Amino acid sequence: DGGITQSPKYLFRKEGQNVTLSCEQNLNHDAMYWYRQDPGQGLRLIYYSQIVNDFQKGDIAEGYSVSREKKESFPLTVTSAQKNPTAFYLCASSFGQGARQPQHFGDGTRLSIL
Amino acid sequence: GQQVMQIPQYQHVQEGEDFTTYCNSSTTLSNIQWYKQRPGGHPVFLIQLVKSGEVKKQKRLTFQFGEAKKNSSLHITATQTTDVGTYFCAVRDNYGQNFVFGPGTRLSVLP
Repeated sequence: DGGITQSPKYLFRKEGQNVTLSCEQNLNHDAMYWYRQDPGQGLRLIYYSQIVNDFQKGDIAEGYSVSREKKESFPLTVTSAQKNPTAFYLCASSFGQGARQPQHFGDGTRLSIL
Repeated sequence: GQQVMQIPQYQHVQEGEDFTTYCNSSTTLSNIQWYKQRPGGHPVFLIQLVKSGEVKKQKRLTFQFGEAKKNSSLHITATQTTDVGTYFCAVRDNYGQNFVFGPGTRLSVLP
């Protein structure tokens, strides 16, 4: 079954701690994205990657970091610098570049502060 | 940067009533996509519109792209409880690289 797998489904972060959210896709998609969604709100772009070993900041990149060492994987680290990390994090991928292809989303990770 | 507005923010309808949500941009769009997110779920792609005045149908859903390519609508005929969720439009940003999502319209359907 092709798709996007995000893990864990729920994650709790302690003060001053970095946490990493996993995103893996087996759709052979070039582009991958991370979004943040707050309750009752739309999606805001954190980081995106159009190709392996390259990624760009989105609208709200501060306090987050990513890597794209493999085409299939695009992990997101929420650092201690992100003071309000509680949100629903969605990973997505699309075939090709330039926002002309549909995005496929994972089931998301809900992050909370302990 | 690119911004899109969606109206209404919320809509409560009785099952069987029709529903319409609108997506508006101040700039001309190259394309527009629509997504549906069920409560507790993730967004799911519904459709993409590219041509001026384009109309596409998916069963009870009708999607339209405005003639000036600055707005779009999603119309649901005879809503069902399975239509509950938030409907988002998404457009390309000013650099043509990424998607900008509208704030969404949350639909509730009362049985």
